[in-house]
Formats: sequence, C-alpha cells, structure tokens
Amino acid sequence: DVQLVESGGGLIQPGESLRLSCAASGFTFSAYSMNWVRQAPGKGLEWISYISSTSRTIYYADSVTGRFTFSRDNAKSSLYLQMNSLRDEDTAVYYCTRDADGNFDHWGQGTLVTVSS
Amino acid sequence: DVVMTQSPLSLPVTLGQPASISCRSSQNLVSSDGDTYLNWFQQRPGQSPRRLIYKVSNRDPGVPDRFSGSGSGTDFTLKISRVEAEDVGVYYCMQGTHWPPFTFGGGTKVEIK
Repeated sequence: DVQLVESGGGLIQPGESLRLSCAASGFTFSAYSMNWVRQAPGKGLEWISYISSTSRTIYYADSVTGRFTFSRDNAKSSLYLQMNSLRDEDTAVYYCTRDADGNFDHWGQGTLVTVSS
Repeated sequence: DVVMTQSPLSLPVTLGQPASISCRSSQNLVSSDGDTYLNWFQQRPGQSPRRLIYKVSNRDPGVPDRFSGSGSGTDFTLKISRVEAEDVGVYYCMQGTHWPPFTFGGGTKVEIK
C-alpha cells in the first residue's frame, strides 16, 4: 500500500526556520512527481510546491517563493521542505501528496506547523 | 491563476437522498493533450483529504459507485446518488490543467439534516 508519512512540524516563532520531511513507501518513489499542500486551521487547501521525479523541475506558490525550498532524496524515498522566515500565516497542516493519474492521488496524514510568538 | 468556484458552500442532505456540488473554473480546463484535469476530493472530519474523482469522471480505487463526476470546459459537478452517514465532510474540486499553481475550490460542506 502507498504510504506517505510527514514529520517535523511543531511550534516555532516568527522568522525562524523548520524542516519538514515526508517518508514514502509502497511504490517506486523515484518514478513519481510529488507536492506539498497545506491547510490553515479551519480553512481550505492550498498547493505550495511541486517537484518532478528527478528534481529537475520545482515550482512554488507565490506565497512561499524565496522562503521555502522543496527537495527529495530518491535513494531514501524521502521529501524535504525547508521553510525559512516563517510567518504567522504559514500556520497550517502540511501534507505531502503524490501525482498519479493527474494530481494528488495519495496524501499523508499531515504535520502541523504553528508559527506564533 | 485559474479560480475555482464551488457552490453551495453548505449542503444539508437527508440520508438516502441525492446530493450535487457544482464547480466552475475561470478558464477552460481542457488541456493541450486533450484531457481535462479536474479532480474531486473528500475530507472527512479530522482526516486528510482523499481523492475521489480524477479527470472529471474517473473514480479512484475503492470509491463507492454512488459518487460520480461529470462536466466539461468550465462547469463540473460531483454527484452522490444516495448520501450515507460516512459521506459527511468537505468536498473540494481542483484543477491541474493550467499550472503552476494548482488551484482548489473553496470547499462544500456536506452535512446530514
């Protein structure tokens, strides 16, 4: 079975940095492009970043461009989201998702990031 | 960016009755490859989102056949033929044709009357 397990969330102060991870299993990780999608408390879904299977292509939402960096390690079947200069509005549950038959066919359980002083 | 507009915001439904959710996009979602990348997701209370429908009308594995998707161009619909208690949650449409960015609708909350 496809499994995506996020980790690394927590309470952090504005301006600080945090690194999220997503461990994938149950499929040939290196063959799939992946994404991060977030959901602020009580709000809807917001796509924030995409990475191709080889890491050649990476895209970011305007809201995180220049502050977040998406990377992957195909040997470890893992994704990473380096988040710098965090703001209050970055408070959200962060999900990693897989692209197959279009987009976002599988989601992890999410990891909560709370940015607050 | 493509704006996805869902209606209604809230949908109270009687158990066993049908339900229908509308999704409109600000641009035609037919891709240059001929496919239309319009997906539907369900998010039950306290759970992660789950994809139900991809490319307008294709059900994901394990999705009950009471869920169906239809539409074309800029107008799309998710239908539940007979609502069950486990269908309570928020439903989102999402386009993957004109990206980046991928964009979601604001969500429709389905609840039991």
